[in-house]
Order: sequence, then structure tokens, then C-alpha cells
Amino acid sequence: NAGVTQTPKFQVLKTGQSMTLQCAQDMNHEYMSWYRQDPGMGLRLIHYSVGAGITDQGEVPNGYNVSRSTTEDFPLRLLSAAPSQTSVYFCASSSGHTQYFGPGTRLTVL
Amino acid sequence: AQSVTQLGSHVSVSEGALVLLRCNYSSSVPPYLFWYVQYPNQGLQLLLKYTTGATLVKGINGFEAEFKKSETSFHLTKPSAHMSDAAEYFCAVISSSGGSYIPTFGRGTSLIVHP
Repeated sequence: NAGVTQTPKFQVLKTGQSMTLQCAQDMNHEYMSWYRQDPGMGLRLIHYSVGAGITDQGEVPNGYNVSRSTTEDFPLRLLSAAPSQTSVYFCASSSGHTQYFGPGTRLTVL
Repeated sequence: AQSVTQLGSHVSVSEGALVLLRCNYSSSVPPYLFWYVQYPNQGLQLLLKYTTGATLVKGINGFEAEFKKSETSFHLTKPSAHMSDAAEYFCAVISSSGGSYIPTFGRGTSLIVHP
């Protein structure tokens, strides 16, 4: 059981570039979420999904897109990266109350 | 609506001393409460949780927390700190209605343990 995996671990982008952060889970969980973690701000919810084909916005969705075509995968797309999107991104999955987190992707936008 | 307040962004203790990390929540319905721990350069992992039943819950690594409804609190304690406890700790709440299991997290408390 790999749990929740995220790729890449590190990424540097230039302003205006686009990219996709990958997230996969092998626990057959219905819920998947994306968070960003910034110093002093805790974890803020970007987007979440309650099942394949169903997504919804969280607290800070602007500049990010998601889709959920399978139970296992929940990619996060940055359409046009901005320096304000420099952060550590965590993907999580859950079936019920407990969240299972991936190891994170550290993104720097120059 | 639900929210979480963690008092103190940093808590410093000596090895062997009592650890107390404070968490207060607001929720219009009975809450589910959680503490997660994040070690450096890692993701979060569950430390303990309260859903129903006994209000004193025990977690991993000797931590425990008590749900006090009258004080809307869920403080995390450990009798004797160890150097390996140095980490970031997050309190989280889920409101037990509406069928949504998306938690709201506090801003985190960094635990520093001195030798």
C-alpha cells in the first residue's frame, strides 16, 4: 500500500508557465483534497472531490483547476503560475473522518 | 460554519517537561476533532481524534487530548516531552452534519523541545 503519492517533490516555474501537480491514492477513498501550506497560515483548502466526476472549490481556488476522472487520481493544474502560488502543496484522501496526506510538493514561482 | 483557533504559533519546552498545546473550536453542531502532526519535510499524519464516546482520547507517542464541550476546547497534552516530539501540530474540526468530511485546520503550533 503506497497510500497517497505526489509528484514532483520539488518544482521551479517561471511566472506565466503552467504545470500539473500529480496526486494518486491506492486506498479506494472517495474524498480527495488539495491544500496549500504557507508559513503562519496553516493549511488552506484549494479544491476537493467527493468522488469521480465531482469536484468543488475550497477556500482559495483562484488560479487552480482540478478534475477527477478516476477514483485514484486527482491532479491539480496551475494555468498561469504567479509568485503568490509559491507554497507547499499537499494532497489528501479520506473515506470518513481521517485524512491521509501525501508527502507534499514544494513549488517556487519566480 | 466551523473554525479552529490554536493559541500560540510556537511553544517551547524542556525535554521531560509537560507539553500543552491549546485548541479551541467553533461549530454549530457536535464536532469531530483531530490533532495532526507534521515532522520536518513530511506530510501530516493523524495523532488522535475524537468522534463520539469517551471525551479523553489517547493517541500515538504518548499524546492525549480531552474534548470539553463547555469550553469548546480540545487541548493536546503529553506528560513528558521528548526531543523527537519537535514538530508542527495542527488541530482540525469537522462538523458532524451535512455529510461533508472536509476538515477546517488551525494555523498550527510549532513545538520546540530543548535538551
